[in-house]
Amino acid sequence: DQQVKQNSPSLSVQEGRISILNCDYTNSMFDYFLWYKKYPAEGPTFLISISSIKDKNEDGRFTVFLNKSAKHLSLHIVPSQPGDSAVYFCAASSMKTSYDKVIFGPGTSLSVIP
Amino acid sequence: DAGITQSPRHKVTETGTPVTLRCHQTENHRYMYWYRQDPGHGLRLIHYSYGVKDTDKGEVSDGYSVSRSKTEDFLLTLESATSSQTSVYFCAISGETETQYFGPGTRLLVL
Repeated sequence: DQQVKQNSPSLSVQEGRISILNCDYTNSMFDYFLWYKKYPAEGPTFLISISSIKDKNEDGRFTVFLNKSAKHLSLHIVPSQPGDSAVYFCAASSMKTSYDKVIFGPGTSLSVIP
Repeated sequence: DAGITQSPRHKVTETGTPVTLRCHQTENHRYMYWYRQDPGHGLRLIHYSYGVKDTDKGEVSDGYSVSRSKTEDFLLTLESATSSQTSVYFCAISGETETQYFGPGTRLLVL
């Protein structure tokens, strides 16, 4: 029973366009959310995060939006570049329970086509 | 980049043999984690440590044990490897925030 879901296993986008990666969660105790990016044969790397007190966080081309009522977050990449092609993991944790445990979604593989 | 290394990077072993994977950090971070990555499951937590000799189970701990005798080293042991433990294993570390930093991974094949 997955607590963090990424329902699109893959996504293809043209270079220069917007990539939107979606994530849903079921546990209302989650209050901190992270996105990680993973290239083949490498470990995941932290990309961007958002606390539940915010509904948006921006870092350069990457913006994460959080809709707490819908238990949904999304990662927007604008403009998309071929180097963004990777697997993206959504993750969630709870400061109220065990903040040292982070639950990861199954990942979405993004392909940016030149 | 956070200073995390994993060894070995690749391992082929036979069913029933013991296997130990090592994670070494140079960041002096308190928390260390072991995950496995499998298609369709993302990253699943096996065990984690919140200090020397302090460890706890994660989501998929059956068949695995861990030890942390020093801040910098976190060992994952498969006492008797099974084919279902064929996977890519990642170590991660974190300080007093939720952001985890991952090692390069160990690819394990159990025949």
